[in-house]
Amino acid sequence: DAKTTQPNSMESNEEEPVHLPCNHSTISGTDYIHWYRQLPSQGPEYVIHGLTSNVNNRMASLAIAEDRKSSTLILHRATLRDAAVYYCILKGNRDDKIIFGKGTRLHILP
Amino acid sequence: KAGVTQTPRYLIKTRGQQVTLSCSPISGHRSVSWYQQTPGQGLQFLFEYFSETQRNKGNFPGRFSGRQFSNSRSEMNVSTLELGDSALYLCASSRLNYRGQETQYFGPGTRLLVL
Repeated sequence: DAKTTQPNSMESNEEEPVHLPCNHSTISGTDYIHWYRQLPSQGPEYVIHGLTSNVNNRMASLAIAEDRKSSTLILHRATLRDAAVYYCILKGNRDDKIIFGKGTRLHILP
Repeated sequence: KAGVTQTPRYLIKTRGQQVTLSCSPISGHRSVSWYQQTPGQGLQFLFEYFSETQRNKGNFPGRFSGRQFSNSRSEMNVSTLELGDSALYLCASSRLNYRGQETQYFGPGTRLLVL
């Protein structure tokens, strides 16, 4: 099963950009990179996903390395409401187990 | 559009009992996945159902089972509860099988406490 590696925690100042890294050295060619986040006392929510090219949406940007062995979720201007656990997962077009890992706990300092 | 709903939200059971949790997916979604979340193990995949068939299964003992109905609603059952089954059980739905570009939408979870 393809796995991802993320730092346990990160800290950032409010209104600053945040770069959350994810390593996925065993990614296969058809695996999409998905990011979810879980705010306190809530279920996870979808943030963004991509395959090869960088992606942008209203919540964040996803930068994918050329060799696809790593990616970075970018929050352009962090707010206190962005404090959450961020999960990076791989999802292919096959019946494999979905592995969330422990994620990165992001702390935002006012 | 209503989100994923889970009932009950909180539950207290004792060891040896069984429990059934319910999940109603977003209207039009045909896939339902279940996850267990504990402080020690994080978010772990239990199983996925699509069109009333289990399509994918995580590494959990046979005490954990589920099913999906023709209206896509799903139930998960845990028999012979153990203390270690205390957790937040999350349900997520997606339009189709959770593959590739599909995204999942999570419910608020059912918090189960086993005494």
